[in-house]
Amino acid sequence: KQEVTQIPAALSVPEGENLVLNCSFTDSAIYNLQWFRQDPGKGLTSLLLIQSSQREQTSGRLNASLDKSSGRSTLYIAASQPGDSATYLCGVWGAQKLVFGQGTRLTINP
Amino acid sequence: DVKVTQSSRYLVKRTGEKVFLECVQDMDHENMFWYRQDPGLGLRLIYFSYDVKMKEKGDIPEGYSVSREKKERFSLILESASTNQTSMYLCASSSFEDLLSGANVLTFGAGSRLTVL
Repeated sequence: KQEVTQIPAALSVPEGENLVLNCSFTDSAIYNLQWFRQDPGKGLTSLLLIQSSQREQTSGRLNASLDKSSGRSTLYIAASQPGDSATYLCGVWGAQKLVFGQGTRLTINP
Repeated sequence: DVKVTQSSRYLVKRTGEKVFLECVQDMDHENMFWYRQDPGLGLRLIYFSYDVKMKEKGDIPEGYSVSREKKERFSLILESASTNQTSMYLCASSSFEDLLSGANVLTFGAGSRLTVL
């Protein structure tokens, strides 16, 4: 059974810093991995999708990497802004379904 | 853009009531999913469906059932609501083509927050 872990559970940094969020998974037989953002009381917004054959994906200030062999993914946020404050969730696609980590609650302090 | 609409943002029900949570998507997606989200437990899959009238149990199906009579609509049913079903419920959809290509992108609705008293 796939298990997904995100560390840290919460992170608070000053505005402007670069930061890394971590995601690890136990079963390397994945289809792809998806990073989401969730604002309080809202649904999830997809940020980046990395297919199993890819090593990384970039969108603006976000860069996600995938290392299947070690069961790890990272989400790198450059030049953080207060608007980046949210919970970030990692989801790993297995056969037909997505298994989530518990998320990292990120706070960017002005 | 794909739009996934959950009809009720907030519901308050009493123990023992039958509760329907409705989800509609407008992009002809084959796959639809129901998750619940609880603090400290993350998102857990309740049921999913990859075609009309098809359903598969997720990780926590107990106390729930689903209905998929039309492709665009996936309903979650709590036959007899209990206080431990108080939660945020999230519906999502994706296309079968994306799944086959490995580019599966799950699109979520805004969520339905259910309180059972």
